[in-house]
Amino acid sequence: SQQGEEDPQALSIQEGENATMNCSYKTSINNLQWYRQNSGRGLVHLILIRSNEREKHSGRLRVTLDTSKKSSSLLITASRAADTASYFCATSRGSARQLTFGSGTQLTVLP
Amino acid sequence: DGGITQSPKYLFRKEGQNVTLSCEQNLNHDAMYWYRQDPGQGLRLIYYSQIVNDFQKGDIAEGYSVSREKKESFPLTVTSAQKNPTAFYLCASSIHRDRRDYGYTFGSGTRLTVV
Repeated sequence: SQQGEEDPQALSIQEGENATMNCSYKTSINNLQWYRQNSGRGLVHLILIRSNEREKHSGRLRVTLDTSKKSSSLLITASRAADTASYFCATSRGSARQLTFGSGTQLTVLP
Repeated sequence: DGGITQSPKYLFRKEGQNVTLSCEQNLNHDAMYWYRQDPGQGLRLIYYSQIVNDFQKGDIAEGYSVSREKKESFPLTVTSAQKNPTAFYLCASSIHRDRRDYGYTFGSGTRLTVV
C-alpha cells in the first residue's frame, strides 16, 4: 500500500533556483524520511523528521512536517545539476519498523 | 568501508525458472528488507527480517521467498509462481530493531528481466 504521495510527479528548474517537493500521507506516523535515487541506482537517505518536530535542516535541505495536515515538504536551495534525481518520501508507522514509500518526484536541474 | 552489496547487477530469468538475488551487509545492522520497484513507481515491500532466523511478509510476498540464516545475509528467491518478475529489486538494512528513528541503507539494486 502506498502511504505517501509526492507532488509534483516531475519538476524541472534552472540551476541556482530552489526546488520544493511535497508529500502527503494518510495515517499517523512515527517519523517521515526523504530519500534520493539517481537513475538505476539504490536510494540514499537524506533526512529524517520525527512526528514531534516541525522543521529540520541539513546543508541545503530543509524539511517541514505538518501532522495536522498529514503533509511534509522538502526544499532544496540553490540547486545544482548534480541534484537531478528522483526524491521519495517514506513513512514509519506504529510498532512496525518497515518504511512505506511514496511514488516519487523526478527533479531535473538544468545547467 | 561498510555497506550493502547486491549481486548480480543484472539477471535474466527464463520462464518457469527460480532465481536467487544476493544481499550482503557488513554494517552489523539487525534488520534487512527487500523492495521491488517498477518503472516510474515507488518501492513496494516484499519481505523483511528484524532478526536472524525470522522474517515477515510485506505487501507483495506472493511468488517470492527469503531466508535469514546469518545476520549479514538476506537472499531473495524469485520463484516461478511470480508471474511478472521483471523489475528492479532493492535490498536495504537498518541499524537497530528496537529503534524507530533510523534511516535505511540501500544496496545498488538488481535488475531482473524475464526472457
